[in-house]
Amino acid sequence: QKEVEQNSGPLSVPEGAIASLNCTYSDRGSQSFFWYRQYSGKSPELIMSIYSNGDKEDGRFTAQLNKASQYVSLLIRDSQPSDSATYLCAVNRDDKIIFGKGTRLHILP
Amino acid sequence: EAGVVQSPRYKIIEKKQPVAFWCNPISGHNTLYWYRQNLGQGPELLIRYENEEAVDDSQLPKDRFSAERLKGVDSTLKIQPAELGDSAVYLCASSLDLRRYEQYFGPGTRLTVT
Repeated sequence: QKEVEQNSGPLSVPEGAIASLNCTYSDRGSQSFFWYRQYSGKSPELIMSIYSNGDKEDGRFTAQLNKASQYVSLLIRDSQPSDSATYLCAVNRDDKIIFGKGTRLHILP
Repeated sequence: EAGVVQSPRYKIIEKKQPVAFWCNPISGHNTLYWYRQNLGQGPELLIRYENEEAVDDSQLPKDRFSAERLKGVDSTLKIQPAELGDSAVYLCASSLDLRRYEQYFGPGTRLTVT
């Protein structure tokens, strides 16, 4: 089992709809969870962090964490073409951060 | 506030040649990371520094890779000699300290080994 798993996509979502990105992780001891956005040819950009079970909202983004199910998700409301990118899930293991391979998101105009 | 600075942005070298990458982290960030990212993959940690100390270099291929952060600020990652499989994007990131996992990435160096 991979440490951090994401569906590689592409995930196609119509403009204005909700995009839902999912991630599972293997280490039950993980306490810190992050979502990074990476545009093609660019470096990852931190967009959300979450540390406790439940939802965390920041503008159009909502991160959801369920430690019992070892599952973290990112919801993007009112999706815009500028949201088209690869979204990387990252989880701490011991003192390091492990990244998933990312999900490519394509917002259809 | 200036972000993480990396140079060069692009580098093309022939195999067996040496190459070096430079990184200057965000001011005040004690922890510095070097990652390698292959196409379609997430970043993979090569080495992690807390100030000038390398606290995790378990993933660094030490036969050909070396890194230093002599004054606990900027850092250099070197490959000698380069191999075809080293072609990738080399990313530098920084965070406030080891317990703050929010990392901020530089623009990266795209290395092509021919």
